[in-house]
Amino acid sequence: DVVMTQSPLSLPVTLGQPASISCRSSQSVVHRDGNTYLSWFQQRPGQSPRRLIYWVSKRDSGVPDRFSGSGSGTDFTLKISKVEAEDVGVYYCMQGINWPYTFGQGTKLEIK
Amino acid sequence: EVQLVESGGGLVQPGGSLRLSCAASGFTFSDYYMDWVRQAPGKGLEWIGRIRNKANNHIAEYAASVRGRFTISRDDSKRTLYLQMNSLNSEDTAVYFCTRDSYGSGDAWGQGTLVTVSS
Repeated sequence: DVVMTQSPLSLPVTLGQPASISCRSSQSVVHRDGNTYLSWFQQRPGQSPRRLIYWVSKRDSGVPDRFSGSGSGTDFTLKISKVEAEDVGVYYCMQGINWPYTFGQGTKLEIK
Repeated sequence: EVQLVESGGGLVQPGGSLRLSCAASGFTFSDYYMDWVRQAPGKGLEWIGRIRNKANNHIAEYAASVRGRFTISRDDSKRTLYLQMNSLNSEDTAVYFCTRDSYGSGDAWGQGTLVTVSS
């Protein structure tokens, strides 16, 4: 299975400050169709996961533009330009090219 | 509005069976691959299975942790996804989510249903 490794696992952030989460895959997640199947999810406390980003940098409908994704090959980053209180939760990266799809361990974002 | 609603969770004894359902609405269910993801209490997310759409012969694929014990099926006429779980053990205790597979990951998720395996 493709191993997804996130860092940091805990991320205390001051409101209004930026935040960044790194994700590394053990294998390339670039498909022969040219797309890179790397997604990011947010899970707020007590809620179901919600996809924020797919194909590395495509934001899902309704996702604020303070969220952005970048990277290539095996190294990826999720950035939040200015953290708001509603961003508290756990963030997961996920690869969708090799079955079974696999998630990172999760990064818990909290407000300082 | 896309909606996925899981049901069927509950308490089951080790070695027992349970069938989960996921009712879909708000989109053309038959067009999509559909997946099951679970989350053990206080833990991360685990993708456990996927079923392709009719155009891809409804082929199902499973993670090693459930292969041979779990079966995914779907009834496109009822817009419903199923997860038949047999030979359950304590490690299967989790919230089970169904998701709509789009661009290689779940773009819509249900609220989840809790399965507890305990004597």
